[in-house]
Amino acid sequence: AQKVTQTQTSISVVEKTTVTMDCVYETRDSSYFLFWYKQTASGEIVFLIRQDSYKKENATVGHYSLNFQKPKSSIGLIITATQIEDSAVYFCAMRRRGNYNQGKLIFGQGTKLSIKP
Amino acid sequence: NAGVIQTPRHKVTGKGQEATLWCEPISGHSAVFWYRQTIVQGLEFLTYFRNQAPIDDSGMPKERFSAQMPNQSHSTLKIQSTQPQDSAVYLCASSLDWGQGAETLYFGSGTRLTVL
Repeated sequence: AQKVTQTQTSISVVEKTTVTMDCVYETRDSSYFLFWYKQTASGEIVFLIRQDSYKKENATVGHYSLNFQKPKSSIGLIITATQIEDSAVYFCAMRRRGNYNQGKLIFGQGTKLSIKP
Repeated sequence: NAGVIQTPRHKVTGKGQEATLWCEPISGHSAVFWYRQTIVQGLEFLTYFRNQAPIDDSGMPKERFSAQMPNQSHSTLKIQSTQPQDSAVYLCASSLDWGQGAETLYFGSGTRLTVL
């Protein structure tokens, strides 16, 4: 069975610094997608970035980047130059690649990020 | 583009009553999903439609829960005989290209269901 684990319940950093959030996953699938989503205080869930398991290069979007370590089943999210508005709960998620008929994303429990001025 | 629209934002029902939640996906998106979020269980998948057809309902409780998508512009989640443990935020999401490579889900703001 697939499983996603985020061990950091909450993180607090000072604005403009870099933060890394951890995520490890379990799967028997050879090909899969890994995602990070952000949930703001209003409850809105927004897609941030995705990593394809067959790609060795770490994905980067804006000030978000990933640290994908496939042998360790790890997909860390790195946020550089953090801003107050980055304060949110961050979810790691995964799904099997190529299964068009499966609707499930497996989510981790989330990490609450607080950015202090 | 208004995003995924869910109504109502909040719903309070008494134990044993029925609750119907509504979702309008983003226009043109062929895949529609329902998820449930609670503090204890986190984000849980419920069901998935593609081009209005039910494809995967593996997360739906077998009793009391049902979902429909009568047309491409809306989906409903119905909970019969609601119980206090059904209290949660119910999230609808849609995707333009689920299974085609990009796999991005766009979530609505959710309906907070409280069963007294």
